Amino acid sequence: EAGVVQSPRYKIIEKKQPVAFWCNPISGHNTLYWYLQNLGQGPELLIRYENEEAVDDSQLPKDRFSAERLKGVDSTLKIQPAELGDSAVYLCASSLTPFRGYSHDEQFFGPGTRLTVL
Amino acid sequence: GQQVMQIPQYQHVQEGEDFTTYCNSSTTLSNIQWYKQRPGGHPVFLIQLVKSGEVKKQKRLTFQFGEAKKNSSLHITATQTTDVGTYFCAGMVPNFGNEKLTFGTGTRLTIIP
Repeated sequence: EAGVVQSPRYKIIEKKQPVAFWCNPISGHNTLYWYLQNLGQGPELLIRYENEEAVDDSQLPKDRFSAERLKGVDSTLKIQPAELGDSAVYLCASSLTPFRGYSHDEQFFGPGTRLTVL
Repeated sequence: GQQVMQIPQYQHVQEGEDFTTYCNSSTTLSNIQWYKQRPGGHPVFLIQLVKSGEVKKQKRLTFQFGEAKKNSSLHITATQTTDVGTYFCAGMVPNFGNEKLTFGTGTRLTIIP
């Protein structure tokens, strides 16, 4: 079974340029997550989708970040314009369902996109 | 701010020694998950604990969830070089029906052969 696919794996841009990341979750997984991971820290949730609906985007800096999940499958995360502080690894994850009582499905992470803003 | 903290931040052990990482939350958690991230890799799910006081074992790994569901630990017996990586706990923080998996700060384990 194919895992979560992300592209590109690496991206180097100059500040103020736009950038986009793409994620294809595991087939059949309804929930998709975008995380930001800074060096030496744990992943921080940016946005969570359940099918097409963004159910939690409270941590997404909406002045420059946007995301979409058309048709409830693939997703794109965009930054416009990028700032120096946006340099990080952007991880996409998916899970079958997000919440069942007190148990939650494990999240499967993609390899991430390492963004460097110069 | 970070609601889920882990200690220690780094741990260097001789191969064959035991290793323990501790996870503490400022709030009661619905459940807790543990992930391992190899250097240059992505987080990989290890286990989930749901019940108060729950203990689960996976070969040399023992996971424990505290009675108050605010802390957890991962213990590795007789470490091997394949155990190298960063171990993250991730607690499901209740948030008025919009629970969020909050990752800890991680413990980076290095093994001295």
